[in-house]
Amino acid sequence: NAGVMQNPRHLVRRRGQEARLRCSPMKGHSHVYWYRQLPEEGLKFMVYLQKENIIDESGMPKERFSAEFPKEGPSILRIQQVVRGDSAAYFCASSPGFSLGEQFFGPGTRLTVL
Amino acid sequence: AQSVTQLDSHVSVSEGTPVLLRCNYSSSYSPSLFWYVQHPNKGLQLLLKYTSAATLVKGINGFEAEFKKSETSFHLTKPSAHMSDAAEYFCVVTSAAGGTSYGKLTFGQGTILTVHP
Repeated sequence: NAGVMQNPRHLVRRRGQEARLRCSPMKGHSHVYWYRQLPEEGLKFMVYLQKENIIDESGMPKERFSAEFPKEGPSILRIQQVVRGDSAAYFCASSPGFSLGEQFFGPGTRLTVL
Repeated sequence: AQSVTQLDSHVSVSEGTPVLLRCNYSSSYSPSLFWYVQHPNKGLQLLLKYTSAATLVKGINGFEAEFKKSETSFHLTKPSAHMSDAAEYFCVVTSAAGGTSYGKLTFGQGTILTVHP
């Protein structure tokens, strides 16, 4: 059973470009979470999605960031018009449902904005 | 509301000596607590979790943690450190508040553990 998969693992963008980060949850998991880890900081919650629904986006910046988890295919975190401050590691996690248990994390995408 | 404070940003021990990583939490509701480990340039791996069962929780690789409600603490310990334990450790809380707190993990700032030969 493959774990949570994220791609790309490393992404380099110039200021003003768009970044698309993909996350495929573990088989049988219908809930996806995105977290951001800035340099020298812990992970910060961004958004919590079910298939075709955003459950909680309280951690998402108000502008330029969006997330989706379509009925088919991976979850996508999209950052428009990237700035240097967006450089970070972005982690995706999944769980089988509403749960206070473990979330399973992917290896992360490291975004560098030049 | 929930929060986590890891009391030490760096801990350094010698191989074979005990490890203590300290964590205090705040939660308006009954919390679930976790310790995750992150090796350099890798994802996060769950070490152990507390979800209102036994207060002393045993995890992988010889780690354990004790939930102390009166002290709002969930410290991570290991009797004897190994070189492979060198990594960053995160204390994490979530709670059954319902609404938007459900499923959202709140991470501490992390503790970097260094193990000397």
